[in-house]
Amino acid sequence: KAGVTQTPRYLIKTRGQQVTLSCSPISGHRSVSWYQQTPGQGLQFLFEYFSETQRNKGNFPGRFSGRQFSNSRSEMNVSTLELGDSALYLCASSLEGPSGELFFGEGSRLTVL
Amino acid sequence: GQNIDQPTEMTATEGAIVQINCTYQTSGFNGLFWYQQHAGEAPTFLSYNVLDGLEEKGRFSSFLSRSKGYSYLLLKELQMKDSASYLCAVRNYGQNFVFGPGTRLSVLP
Repeated sequence: KAGVTQTPRYLIKTRGQQVTLSCSPISGHRSVSWYQQTPGQGLQFLFEYFSETQRNKGNFPGRFSGRQFSNSRSEMNVSTLELGDSALYLCASSLEGPSGELFFGEGSRLTVL
Repeated sequence: GQNIDQPTEMTATEGAIVQINCTYQTSGFNGLFWYQQHAGEAPTFLSYNVLDGLEEKGRFSSFLSRSKGYSYLLLKELQMKDSASYLCAVRNYGQNFVFGPGTRLSVLP
């Protein structure tokens, strides 16, 4: 069974640009969530999608957005990039239910210059 | 508000036992999870507690006290490969996870 796949793995952008990250969940998982990980802040929740609907949203500015497609694949977009957006962006998928643990992808490491 | 606390760093010796504590205050509680993350890798699931008590899984055990907002992860017979960050996370009623800052464990020979 294939795991969670994230693309691209590494990317470098400059301030003001925008970026789109992609995530393919484990087959059968309909919940996809995104996290930002930085050395100082740890894992911060961005948003969660279930059946193409945003179910939860973290405390990030509107520059951060996402969507989910009918096949459960998800994308997140960051517009008007800032230096502070440099981070590892992790996608995770899970089955429904309280005991459904998160399965993480390898992440997309974004560097903003 | 939501807050999860863990020690930032811990050091232990190969073969020893180490306990990593986690305290939490969240707006809702729907389970507590522990994840392991090696440097440069994705977090991987270790354990899940939703009821008070101890859950044992091989060399790893996790304990939960909901009334105290407290959990710990116990690692026995430490191995060098256990050097990693350990993340405590609470799933709230909204189904999203809140993660603690992580505890970086170094296992020394």
